[in-house]
Amino acid sequence: EDQVTQSPEALRLQEGESSSLNCSYTVSGLRGLFWYRQDPGKGPEFLFTLYSAGEEKEKERLKATLTKKESFLHITAPKPEDSATYLCAVSLTGGGNKLTFGTGTQLKVEL
Amino acid sequence: EAQVTQNPRYLITVTGKKLTVTCSQNMNHEYMSWYRQDPGLGLRQIYYSMNVEVTDKGDVPEGYKVSRKEKRNFPLILESPSPNQTSLYFCASSLWGGRTEAFFGQGTRLTVV
Repeated sequence: EDQVTQSPEALRLQEGESSSLNCSYTVSGLRGLFWYRQDPGKGPEFLFTLYSAGEEKEKERLKATLTKKESFLHITAPKPEDSATYLCAVSLTGGGNKLTFGTGTQLKVEL
Repeated sequence: EAQVTQNPRYLITVTGKKLTVTCSQNMNHEYMSWYRQDPGLGLRQIYYSMNVEVTDKGDVPEGYKVSRKEKRNFPLILESPSPNQTSLYFCASSLWGGRTEAFFGQGTRLTVV
């Protein structure tokens, strides 16, 4: 069965304390891996798409990387406004264009 | 502004009373889908549509119906809601399904009593 697992479930950081979130997947035929940010009471907001192992993308304090079995979302010198739930999703070849989501990592950045 | 609009944002209803949650997108996207989000289970796809008049089941379709008569609209219908359908619902659209990023609506929090 195709699975997407995110870790940790929750993470508390001090402002400026860099860390990484993990998304591991056991699927056959990855078409794309997506990272989203979700604020409480709101819909997920797109961050990155990664298509092949070795690919990296950056946006402000966030950097996403992809290997054959997992993706990392690196957060450098986080600020309180980075507090949110970060969701990972995969799309599979032959998967009917569906996104399969992990359960997310809830990040809280404190002053 | 590019957006996906869902209505209503909040809804409390009673078991068995038919309801419809509307979804509209203004990006001319081909692909639209509905998800429900439950604690500990994440986002799960209910139904999706690859184009007008083309719809198909996702992972948790039981108890739901959809229609796609126009490209921009994709309503979610609960013919006879039950308490286990209490959840947070999201509509999403994308240009080419799983190959491109999805844009999500603000969500509809449904409570069935």
